[in-house]
Amino acid sequence: KAGVTQTPRYLIKTRGQQVTLSCSPISGHRSVSWYQQTPGQGLQFLFEYFSETQRNKGNFPGRFSGRQFSNSRSEMNVSTLELGDSALYLCASRLRYSPQETQYFGPGTRLLVL
Amino acid sequence: AQSVSQHNHHVILSEAASLELGCNYSYGGTVNLFWYVQYPGQHLQLLLKYFSGDPLVKGIKGFEAEFIKSKFSFNLRKPSVQWSDTAEYFCAVPIKAAGNKLTFGGGTRVLVKP
Repeated sequence: KAGVTQTPRYLIKTRGQQVTLSCSPISGHRSVSWYQQTPGQGLQFLFEYFSETQRNKGNFPGRFSGRQFSNSRSEMNVSTLELGDSALYLCASRLRYSPQETQYFGPGTRLLVL
Repeated sequence: AQSVSQHNHHVILSEAASLELGCNYSYGGTVNLFWYVQYPGQHLQLLLKYFSGDPLVKGIKGFEAEFIKSKFSFNLRKPSVQWSDTAEYFCAVPIKAAGNKLTFGGGTRVLVKP
């Protein structure tokens, strides 16, 4: 099976712009989570979607949003970019929305905000 | 607040040395525990996980972890490391009070000298 794929892999934006990142989960996986990874804050949970519904949300401002489509693919959007949004954004998928299910991570999208 | 902590930020070892990385979580009750590894330039991947049963869990690449409920700990061990174990290691716990969002420790960077 193909793993989790994320596009684009690298992105450079300027402050104030918006960005949309895409994630395709492993085939059959219905849950998709997003994380932000930075050297200072580590890995922080953004949100999780299951069956097109947001099931959980981390402590990020409303500029961060996401959605999930009927084929389980997910997008996250960041509006009005700030310098501090520069990070590696990771997507993870799992079969079910269950704390015991392993999350499988994609390679990430590296976002640089100038 | 419920949290996950990893004691060491950086560990430097020589090949064939033994490795032990600490992980503590701050709450009781039912726990599901994960260790993930991020090799340089690669995806986060699961090393091992614990839900119930035998508190000594064996994972991939010769790693094991021991769940000690009385100490709220889930330490990762490997008896003899190799240069290829150079990576960043993350302990993660779904925090029940936060809707089971997967919460990561700060990570431990391990450098194995050849």
